[in-house]
Amino acid sequence: NAGVTQTPKFRVLKTGQSMTLLCAQDMNHEYMYWYRQDPGMGLRLIHYSVGEGTTAKGEVPDGYNVSRLKKQNFLLGLESAAPSQTSVYFCASSSYEGYTFGSGTRLTVV
Amino acid sequence: AQSVSQHNHHVILSEAASLELGCNYSYGGTVNLFWYVQYPGQHLQLLLKYFSGDPLVKGIKGFEAEFIKSKFSFNLRKPSVQWSDTAEYFCAVNAPSGTYKYIFGTGTRLKVLA
Repeated sequence: NAGVTQTPKFRVLKTGQSMTLLCAQDMNHEYMYWYRQDPGMGLRLIHYSVGEGTTAKGEVPDGYNVSRLKKQNFLLGLESAAPSQTSVYFCASSSYEGYTFGSGTRLTVV
Repeated sequence: AQSVSQHNHHVILSEAASLELGCNYSYGGTVNLFWYVQYPGQHLQLLLKYFSGDPLVKGIKGFEAEFIKSKFSFNLRKPSVQWSDTAEYFCAVNAPSGTYKYIFGTGTRLKVLA
């Protein structure tokens, strides 16, 4: 049981480049999330989804887009990367029992 | 709006010392409460959770937490910490209103000195 899988694990982007982070879960969870984690700021919710075909904005959605075309996948896109988007990104899915997190993507924008 | 406060941002202890990390939430209704741990370079993992029943909850690795409804608190405790407990600890709250979206505290970074 893989749980939540994120790809890639590391990425370096130049300012203005675009990329997509992939999150896949095999637990049949309806809810999925993208967070960013920065030193001293805890986890901040970027976007989330309550089911296939749905997305919603979190606390810090600007500069990001998401899609949930399939229940098991939740994609996070950066259209035009900025240095302020340098962070560690975590995907998670949840049920009533709690959250399961992916192992994270460390993104550096130079 | 719901919120979660973790007042201790950084804690440094020596091995064998006792640990208590504070967590307070603001929500007047029924809540589910969680503690997650993030070891250096790793993702968040569930330590323990409270849904209902006995307010003293035991989790993995000797951790426990006590839910005190009158104080809106869910403090994490461990009688004797080890160097391997060095990590960041996050409290989270979910109000079961048909959503599984949780509110996380900003985390407490624990360093245990050998």
